[in-house]
Amino acid sequence: NAGVTQTPKFRILKIGQSMTLQCTQDMNHNYMYWYRQDPGMGLKLIYYSVGAGITDKGEVPNGYNVSRSTTEDFPLRLELAAPSQTSVYFCASRKTLTGIHEQYFGPGTRLTVT
Amino acid sequence: GENVEQHPSTLSVQEGDSAVIKCTYSDSASNYFPWYKQELGKGPQLIIDIRSNVGEKKDQRIAVTLNKTAKHFSLHITETQPEDSAVYFCAATVTGNQFYFGTGTSLTVIP
Repeated sequence: NAGVTQTPKFRILKIGQSMTLQCTQDMNHNYMYWYRQDPGMGLKLIYYSVGAGITDKGEVPNGYNVSRSTTEDFPLRLELAAPSQTSVYFCASRKTLTGIHEQYFGPGTRLTVT
Repeated sequence: GENVEQHPSTLSVQEGDSAVIKCTYSDSASNYFPWYKQELGKGPQLIIDIRSNVGEKKDQRIAVTLNKTAKHFSLHITETQPEDSAVYFCAATVTGNQFYFGTGTSLTVIP
């Protein structure tokens, strides 16, 4: 299993540009998450999904959109990039069993908006 | 929503000593508390977790304690080794839909 994969690893965007961060997991996990991590801060939840076709906002959803058409993929869309979106983005997934279980994180995408 | 505070933000210990990182949470309904280790340039990785029906859990050199009354939980690493150097995050959740993370502790183990 590759686990959770993210592409690209790095990206530089100009203000106002758009891009999609890709996330794929091969563990057949129902739950998937997008976080951003700013320097000296913890991870902040942007969006999450409890299964294909279902998404919901987290703490910091403004400026982002997501979709979940398959169990495996959970792309994050930035429509009009702003400098405040400069961050490291992590995708995560977890299985659905009785109780709550660990999240598996991808390696991250470092995004710079200038 | 939940608010998780983590202290200290940086911690340096001599190899072989113990390290303790503390977190407090605000939502008494939170019932799952994972700890993650993040190495440079990588995503966080779970090292230990505890559920609200348990007061302490150990895994070799790592232990976590939970005090539900005081709403705080702590990570204990004994016999620290240089490879323990990393950033550690605590988190809390009620349902597993939304996880709330602390701001991280940068641990340095000095050989």
